Amino acid sequence: DSGVTQTPKHLITATGQRVTLRCSPRSGDLSVYWYQQSLDQGLQFLIQYYNGEERAKGNILERFSAQQFPDLHSELNLSSLELGDSALYFCASSVTSGGVEGEQYFGPGTRLTVT
Amino acid sequence: GQQLNQSPQSMFIQEGEDVSMNCTSSSIFNTWLWYKQDPGEGPVLLIALYKAGELTSNGRLTAQFGITRKDSFLNISASIPSDVGIYFCAGQLFPLLMRFGAGTRLTVKP
Repeated sequence: DSGVTQTPKHLITATGQRVTLRCSPRSGDLSVYWYQQSLDQGLQFLIQYYNGEERAKGNILERFSAQQFPDLHSELNLSSLELGDSALYFCASSVTSGGVEGEQYFGPGTRLTVT
Repeated sequence: GQQLNQSPQSMFIQEGEDVSMNCTSSSIFNTWLWYKQDPGEGPVLLIALYKAGELTSNGRLTAQFGITRKDSFLNISASIPSDVGIYFCAGQLFPLLMRFGAGTRLTVKP
């Protein structure tokens, strides 16, 4: 158990809909990262938040957005869903102390299926 | 750029055999990490390396941080069926983002 929790574990929805994925980082970790992993693919970095603020952006679509709340949990919002958005979505957290990025620890993921 | 080339892409081995996989880059990193991912699960951190030349073991796993800071390898000795999964390398040069390799899919035949 990495200490990172993600809900829900599975999500099935229709095209055009909007969903919210939730992540709680490890206790003490200030950075949260979101990744997308399509079938048999590697990890695609979407976005990073540090202590409530957006820190880095990767290949995140405009239909996707995220935020990190004062209690450090994070939500990834996916809207106007398309079939191609079906994937595993992972959250990871790290300490990021003293300006140095720590090791990233991953949650169990949310499997999103868009029908 | 900071692309990581991970090889091999897949491996099919017999139980008991040793395994070796590596990651190379044209850029230097100051951290190398190795993760294992089981099907449908999140990647789990296996080994973290912070110094060039560092050799670190975790049970049957051994990883090294290349002396040039541009490569790393992971060895698994005496493989067992539960070693099956996808192994990812990751490299970081702060403040740039961590980069992940495409993964090595390991199949172990009993």
